[in-house]
Amino acid sequence: EIVMTQSPATLSVSPGERATLSCRASQSVSSNLAWYQQKPGQAPRLLIYGASTRATGIPARFSGSGSGTEFTLTISSLQSEDFAVYYCQQYNNWPPLFTFGPGTKVDIK
Amino acid sequence: QVQLQESGPGLVKPSQTLSLTCTVSGGSISSGSYYWSWIRQPAGKGLEWIGRIYTSGSTNYNPSLKSRVTISVDTSKNQFSLKLSSVTAADTAVYYCARVGYYYDSSGYYQFFDYWGQGTLVTVSS
Repeated sequence: EIVMTQSPATLSVSPGERATLSCRASQSVSSNLAWYQQKPGQAPRLLIYGASTRATGIPARFSGSGSGTEFTLTISSLQSEDFAVYYCQQYNNWPPLFTFGPGTKVDIK
Repeated sequence: QVQLQESGPGLVKPSQTLSLTCTVSGGSISSGSYYWSWIRQPAGKGLEWIGRIYTSGSTNYNPSLKSRVTISVDTSKNQFSLKLSSVTAADTAVYYCARVGYYYDSSGYYQFFDYWGQGTLVTVSS
C-alpha cells in the first residue's frame, strides 16, 4: 500500500505571503496526485489533479508541481479565504485504491 | 451542476449496520462513465476512502474495510448507498459521498474526487 505523508503539519503564514506545502508518496504515483482544500465544517474542495492541473474555478494563485514521489502545492499570495487544511491524494490503478495524506493546516501568522 | 446529498441515521448502535444513501441531482448518475464513492473523516482527523461503485454495479473497496462494506447503486432513483456492518465507536465519523472524476493524458489516467456531498455525521454509540 502506498503511504502519503505531508509536511509541515502546520504552516503559519501572513496574508499576502507565499505558502509551499509538500506531499510525499512511499513509492512512485507518476502524476496521479490531487490536492484538496477543506475548511471547518465543509467538505473538501478539489484544487489540483494530475499533479499540476487546476480544477474548474480554482484561482491561478494555486499551483501544483512534481511527479513520482515528491509533490508541491504553492499558494502564491495567501488570501484570507485560503486559511484551511490541505490534503493530497493519490490514486493507484491496480488494485484500485485512493489514499490521502494526513493534511497540512495553513493558519494565520 | 452536479450535487450530492447524504442521508441516513445519525446514530447507530455498536455491532449494528450503518446505512447511508447518496442522492445525486443535476445530472444522471448513469451518464459520463463515472464511479461514485464514499469517504469518511473522524472528528479532527484525515480522510479515508471507503469504496466506489460504477453504475454497472462493479465495486472496489478499501482492503481495510472490505469485509464489512457493501456499496450498491439504484440508477432509477439516481442514488447509491453504503452499508457498513458490525460497527464500533471507531466508525464514528462524518461520511461523505463523492463523484470520482477522471482525466486522461499521454502520461496516464488520473482519478480524483470532483464533486462532494456536504457530509453527514454518524455516531456509533449505545
